[in-house]
Amino acid sequence: NAGVTQTPKFQVLKTGQSMTLQCAQDMNHNSMYWYRQDPGMGLRLIYYSASEGTTDKGEVPNGYNVSRLNKREFSLRLESAAPSQTSVYFCASSSLSFGEQYFGPGTRLTVT
Amino acid sequence: KNEVEQSPQNLTAQEGEFITINCSYSVGISALHWLQQHPGGGIVSLFMLSSGKKKHGRLIATINIQEKHSSLHITASHPRDSAVYICAVIYGGATNKLIFGTGTLLAVQP
Repeated sequence: NAGVTQTPKFQVLKTGQSMTLQCAQDMNHNSMYWYRQDPGMGLRLIYYSASEGTTDKGEVPNGYNVSRLNKREFSLRLESAAPSQTSVYFCASSSLSFGEQYFGPGTRLTVT
Repeated sequence: KNEVEQSPQNLTAQEGEFITINCSYSVGISALHWLQQHPGGGIVSLFMLSSGKKKHGRLIATINIQEKHSSLHITASHPRDSAVYICAVIYGGATNKLIFGTGTLLAVQP
C-alpha cells in the first residue's frame, strides 16, 4: 500500500498562475484533509472532506478550492497564486472524521 | 493568545532521559492528537485521546479534560526520538475543527 500520495513534490509558480495539487489515498478512508504549514505558524486546516461528496472550509480557505473527485482522491486548486500562498502543503486522510490521520509527504510550493 | 499552546518550544535532552512535552488549550474539545514530524518533514500520528492515558512503546500520552491539558512523555529517550512533536485539538460542538499547536522541537543527544 502506498498510503497517501501527493503530486507534485515541488512547484514554483509566478503570481497569478493557477495549479492543482493532487492527493490520493489507498486505505479506503472516508475523510480527507488539506493543510498548509508555515514557519512559526504550525499546521493549519485549509479544507476537509468528511465523506465522499462533501467538502467544508477549515481555518484558512481563502484563495483555495477543493474537489473530492471520488473516495480516493481530493485535490486542492489555487486559481490565482499569491506570494502569501508560499508554503508546504500536506494532504491527510482518516477513517473517521478527524480521527487518526495519515499524512502524505507534502508539496513545497513557492510563489514568486 | 493561541488556542493551543505547547511547552517547551525547544527541548534538548541527553539520551536516556525522561521527557515531558505539554499542551494546553482554551476551548472545549472532543479529542486531542499528538503527532510527530521527522527532520525530513514527514508527519506521523502518535496518539488520539479523549480521556485518560494511552501508551505505545516508550511513548505515553495523558489528558485531563477538566484542566484542558495534555502531556506527552518519552521514557528512555533516544537520538531517533529527535523530531517536532505537535499537539492538535478537535473542537467539540456542531462544527468539527482541528487546531494545531506550533510544536515542540526535541533534540536528544547521544
